[in-house]
Amino acid sequence: KAGVTQTPRYLIKTRGQQVTLSCSPISGHRSVSWYQQTPGQGLQFLFEYFSETQRNKGNFPGRFSGRQFSNSRSEMNVSTLELGDSALYLCASSLESGQRYQETQYFGPGTRLLVL
Amino acid sequence: GNSVTQMEGPVTLSEEAFLTINCTYTATGYPSLFWYVQYPGEGLQLLLKATKADDKGSNKGFEATYRKETTSFHLEKGSVQVSDSAVYFCALTASGTYKYIFGTGTRLKVLA
Repeated sequence: KAGVTQTPRYLIKTRGQQVTLSCSPISGHRSVSWYQQTPGQGLQFLFEYFSETQRNKGNFPGRFSGRQFSNSRSEMNVSTLELGDSALYLCASSLESGQRYQETQYFGPGTRLLVL
Repeated sequence: GNSVTQMEGPVTLSEEAFLTINCTYTATGYPSLFWYVQYPGEGLQLLLKATKADDKGSNKGFEATYRKETTSFHLEKGSVQVSDSAVYFCALTASGTYKYIFGTGTRLKVLA
């Protein structure tokens, strides 16, 4: 089975622009979560989607948004980019077999975003 | 609220040394506990997990025991290798929630 894939792997943008990142979960996985990883703040939860619905959200401003499609693929969007948005953005998928709190998350390699 | 506290890094060890990375947690109910590892330039991957008290998770020579009485899930390995150099994350999920809570990560450097 193919793992979680994220595109693009690297991205350079300038302040004020917007960006869209894509995540394809493992086949059959229905939950997709997004995280921001920075040296200063560590791994911070952005949001989680299941069946095209945002089920959980972290403490990020409204500039950060996401969506999930019927095939479970997900995108996240950041509008009006700021220098502090430079980070590694990680996507993770899980199966959702019913025992949610025991589920393993499978991470993609991440998209490294640099905002100049 | 739920939280995970990990020991600060970096941890620097010589090859074949004994490793302990401390992790304690705060959670309501009965959480599941996880250790993830991130190698340079990669995403996180599951190392081991335990879903109930006194369970021991193990993988690749690493072990961690779910201790409810001390709310801990310390990671141990008897003899580390240079290839174990990575960042290790402790995490939990609590029943009734859909969110993973990660610790800040502990960087391990193993010297030959």
